[in-house]
Amino acid sequence: QQQVKQSPQSLIVQKGGIPIINCAYENTAFDYFPWYQQFPGKGPALLIAIRPDVSEKKEGRFTISFNKSAKQFSLHIMDSQPGDSATYFCAAKWPGNTGKLIFGQGTTLQVKP
Amino acid sequence: GAGVSQSPSNKVTEKGKDVELRCDPISGHTALYWYRQSLGQGLEFLIYFQGNSAPDKSGLPSDRFSAERTGGSVSTLTIQRTQQEDSAVYLCASSRRGVSSGANVLTFGAGSRLTVL
Repeated sequence: QQQVKQSPQSLIVQKGGIPIINCAYENTAFDYFPWYQQFPGKGPALLIAIRPDVSEKKEGRFTISFNKSAKQFSLHIMDSQPGDSATYFCAAKWPGNTGKLIFGQGTTLQVKP
Repeated sequence: GAGVSQSPSNKVTEKGKDVELRCDPISGHTALYWYRQSLGQGLEFLIYFQGNSAPDKSGLPSDRFSAERTGGSVSTLTIQRTQQEDSAVYLCASSRRGVSSGANVLTFGAGSRLTVL
């Protein structure tokens, strides 16, 4: 049972393009939605996150759009750069005290120079 | 330490052998998580520790998998009688504490890549 579904699996854009990665979740009790960025040979690192009572959050070139009624959220990368080439994971946090995150399948992004 | 440290970084073993993977979390982080990352897959939750206790073991795939944490710090994930399908990257993460809501930043280690021949 995949509680967080992520698409596309892979994405190629030219430098300066705006890649968009989408996620959909099932459990309306999730209360926090982070995005993690992973470079080869490294562990995932927190990129940006949003709470479900907010529709958009922007940090630098990264923006999360959140649609609570549709149970969907997406990551937009403005003015993408080759250094943004990485695997991106969306996640959703279980409510309660565990802090457990449920991750999507990941999107491998390649930004061509 | 400055970050989450995992060892070994790479482990190749034969089917049927036991393996131990170690995680040294960030000092002061009481919450510790193990995840598994298989090729082309997302991060699969295995187990969560708060201090030395494991209130959530729901992700352990079989009774061949076990984990412990001692002194509220270092954790060891043990896989007995390894199978080829156990081949994956095992990631450890820690955070200040499990929180009931809002921001919970998990800091991940670089992972231990396990290959079972």
